[in-house]
Amino acid sequence: GESVGLHLPTLSVQEGDNSIINCAYSNSASDYFIWYKQESGKGPQFIIDIRSNMDKRQGQRVTVLLNKTVKHLSLQIAATQPGDSAVYFCAEKEVNFGNEKLTFGTGTRLTIIP
Amino acid sequence: ETGVTQTPRHLVMGMTNKKSLKCEQHLGHNAMYWYKQSAKKPLELMFVYNFKEQTENNSVPSRFSPECPNSSHLFLHLHTLQPEDSALYLCASSQDLKESYGYTFGSGTRLTVV
Repeated sequence: GESVGLHLPTLSVQEGDNSIINCAYSNSASDYFIWYKQESGKGPQFIIDIRSNMDKRQGQRVTVLLNKTVKHLSLQIAATQPGDSAVYFCAEKEVNFGNEKLTFGTGTRLTIIP
Repeated sequence: ETGVTQTPRHLVMGMTNKKSLKCEQHLGHNAMYWYKQSAKKPLELMFVYNFKEQTENNSVPSRFSPECPNSSHLFLHLHTLQPEDSALYLCASSQDLKESYGYTFGSGTRLTVV
């Protein structure tokens, strides 16, 4: 089956630096992607999304980049803070018989070093 | 709080026990989901309910039995579990099955089977 995956399972970044988390997807028909953040003891929380008709979308301190040519998604976090330490998941939308569901990657653990 | 509440937060049960996990949302959503989150694995979709009707059972063993009495409540009944069933069980909701970007997750129930 097709899957969503992440290049690196862990990433450590100095506080104040920028971080980039990558995600590869294999379903070229996917037209919608989401990044989630999961802090310890909590469920995943929506960060930012992007549709396939875009290649970049910006939020507050976060930017998602989509490269459909190589089926690659990235999440950039600017000026990282201790509160950014968490596991980050990408997810892609699948459509089966008209119903949508999300398929998740394994996640990357981001650790911010003070 | 995300609007999706799961109880209990932690559960330890023996292999011969019967227990239930509860999920409640008052976001006005009509679709609810059970996911299993194990270490170093992607989130695994278990069950999907839409307007109280089960629309997906992702080849889940019968020792897991879901129940959705109304659009606001979702249960996962557990019996004769195995140690490998130990995981974080996450509930999520969305407006309906056509609105993937609206997933809201609860904080999960950390289940340990001994």
